[in-house]
Amino acid sequence: DAGVTQSPTHLIKTRGQQVTLRCSPISGHKSVSWYQQVLGQGPQFIFQYYEKEERGRGNFPDRFSARQFPNYSSELNVNALLLGDSALYLCASSPGGGEKLFFGSGTQLSVL
Amino acid sequence: GESVGLHLPTLSVQEGDNSIINCAYSNSASDYFIWYKQESGKGPQFIIDIRSNMDKRQGQRVTVLLNKTVKHLSLQIAATQPGDSAVYFCAENNAFGNEKLTFGTGTRLTIIP
Repeated sequence: DAGVTQSPTHLIKTRGQQVTLRCSPISGHKSVSWYQQVLGQGPQFIFQYYEKEERGRGNFPDRFSARQFPNYSSELNVNALLLGDSALYLCASSPGGGEKLFFGSGTQLSVL
Repeated sequence: GESVGLHLPTLSVQEGDNSIINCAYSNSASDYFIWYKQESGKGPQFIIDIRSNMDKRQGQRVTVLLNKTVKHLSLQIAATQPGDSAVYFCAENNAFGNEKLTFGTGTRLTIIP
């Protein structure tokens, strides 16, 4: 079975631009979470969606938004990009019970 | 405040030896813990998890120990192999059903041939 898939794998943007990152969860998983990982640090929670509803939100500005589609895939949008948004963006999926989150390989975003 | 920390940022172990990676957490309400392995250029890979109603859980070559009295978590890897070289993160969750994991900064494990 395919794991969590994310696209694109790498992305280069300039300050002020907008970006959309995509995630397909493991088949059968209804929950998707997004994390930001800055180089040298552990991942930080951004959002969780379950059955298309936002279940949790981390300490990130309103420039960050997300949604989940009927097929449980998800998009993360970041507006008005800043240099500090450069990071690895990780998507994780789970059946939805709060256990066993499985991560994708991430999208490496570079903001110039 | 809520935090998950690691005692050592780096650890070098001889191939074939056992390794122990430690993690301290500060939130006594945490009820679920996960260990992840992250190799360069990849996302975190699930290794093993444990709920707060358990003290020990074993997997293939790995054992997680949980000491709730001192809020300490450890990951033991038996007979380490070169492929075990990676950064290891512990993560905790204190809200069942909510997937807001709090990660530590990680420990880099290097296996010496």
